[in-house]
Amino acid sequence: TQLLEQSPQFLSIQEGENLTVYCNSSSVFSSLQWYRQEPGEGPVLLVTVVTGGEVKKLKRLTFQFGDARKDSSLHITAAQPGDTGLYLCAANFGNEKLTFGTGTRLTIIP
Amino acid sequence: DAGVTQSPTHLIKTRGQHVTLRCSPISGHKSVSWYQQVLGQGPQFIFQYYEKEERGRGNFPDRFSARQFPNYSSELNVNALLLGDSALYLCASSLDRGFAYEQYFGPGTRLTVT
Repeated sequence: TQLLEQSPQFLSIQEGENLTVYCNSSSVFSSLQWYRQEPGEGPVLLVTVVTGGEVKKLKRLTFQFGDARKDSSLHITAAQPGDTGLYLCAANFGNEKLTFGTGTRLTIIP
Repeated sequence: DAGVTQSPTHLIKTRGQHVTLRCSPISGHKSVSWYQQVLGQGPQFIFQYYEKEERGRGNFPDRFSARQFPNYSSELNVNALLLGDSALYLCASSLDRGFAYEQYFGPGTRLTVT
């Protein structure tokens, strides 16, 4: 069974601070995606990474895919209240299914 | 362009009943996937359909079934509902099969089983 663990589970920080969220597995990913979900809505795709060691930037968000393709991180610089939400990583392990992580619930305090 | 649409938005059913949830993908998208999201957890994969055929299945009992129509819309059916089936059911569409392609999620159907 392939599992994705995210840490921390909950994170509450002040506006303007930086933060990093982690996504780890004991198995190798074929591809990994990061989503953000707000209450009452479906997840919204932020990024897809497919190459080990890949780094992608989306404004203040930086996504990194580990060299061994077993981990990924999301770093947010100068967090804003609009960044509040549930952050989910989701991986494909080379089979015909997508596995989501446990999620990190982020709250940015103005 | 319209995004992924799902109906109904909310649904209340009684244990033992049957339910059908519907999903319309983004125009041009041929793949539809279904997920169950229990409160406080990440979504769990139920099915992926591509070109009207099942291409992937998660660890769900046979009470869960789905199908995809020629216009690429999809239905998720759940028989003999249990209290534990209460969840947000999400549909996602993508251009092609496989998960390296971007998936676009609908707003979900909130199912409550009493």
